[in-house]
Amino acid sequence: DTGVSQDPRHKITKRGQNVTFRCDPISEHNRLYWYRQTLGQGPEFLTYFQNEAQLEKSRLLSDRFSAERPKGSFSTLEIQRTEQGDSAMYLCASSLGVYEDTQYFGPGTRLTVL
Amino acid sequence: AQSVTQLDSQVPVFEEAPVELRCNYSSSVSVYLFWYVQYPNQGLQLLLKYLSGSTLVKGINGFEAEFNKSQTSFHLRKPSVHISDTAEYFCAVERQGAQKLVFGQGTRLTINP
Repeated sequence: DTGVSQDPRHKITKRGQNVTFRCDPISEHNRLYWYRQTLGQGPEFLTYFQNEAQLEKSRLLSDRFSAERPKGSFSTLEIQRTEQGDSAMYLCASSLGVYEDTQYFGPGTRLTVL
Repeated sequence: AQSVTQLDSQVPVFEEAPVELRCNYSSSVSVYLFWYVQYPNQGLQLLLKYLSGSTLVKGINGFEAEFNKSQTSFHLRKPSVHISDTAEYFCAVERQGAQKLVFGQGTRLTINP
């Protein structure tokens, strides 16, 4: 296994711009999760997919956020009209999708909104 | 809803000393419990997890944790720490069947030589 990968690792953008992040899960992992981690805090759940179906979204995921997993493999997280409050580490995790699952995390994408 | 409280935001210890990182959780239903470690500029790595069975769980890098249902605690311990253990440690809970982790705010472990 190559592990969960995320791209880019760092993104600096200006307020109002759109950004998109990509996550490639461990192969054959059916579940994929997105979390957001702000400085000095633990990660907070945003959303998760079972294959290509998005099954749960947190209230943290405002209308400016959209996530997709079109073929049940990689996923993208897009933030439209970025705000300074969106600055955070965006973490992706994947799991097999079986009982007593374990989530494996990627290295994260650090977003800075100027 | 579930919540996690990590009682210490920072824990400084000397190398080769024992350490305990405290974690308490709140839930009205059965949960799974996890400890993750985050090294600087990296993602989270699973240290250990409690799903059921023996309340003493052993993990990687010499860490262990004990599940105490009556005290709703899941404290992490290591008998002798090394400089390389310097990192942020996160306790997390997952309501059985929920497929999402709820994390504490983290404890920064600093090892002094």
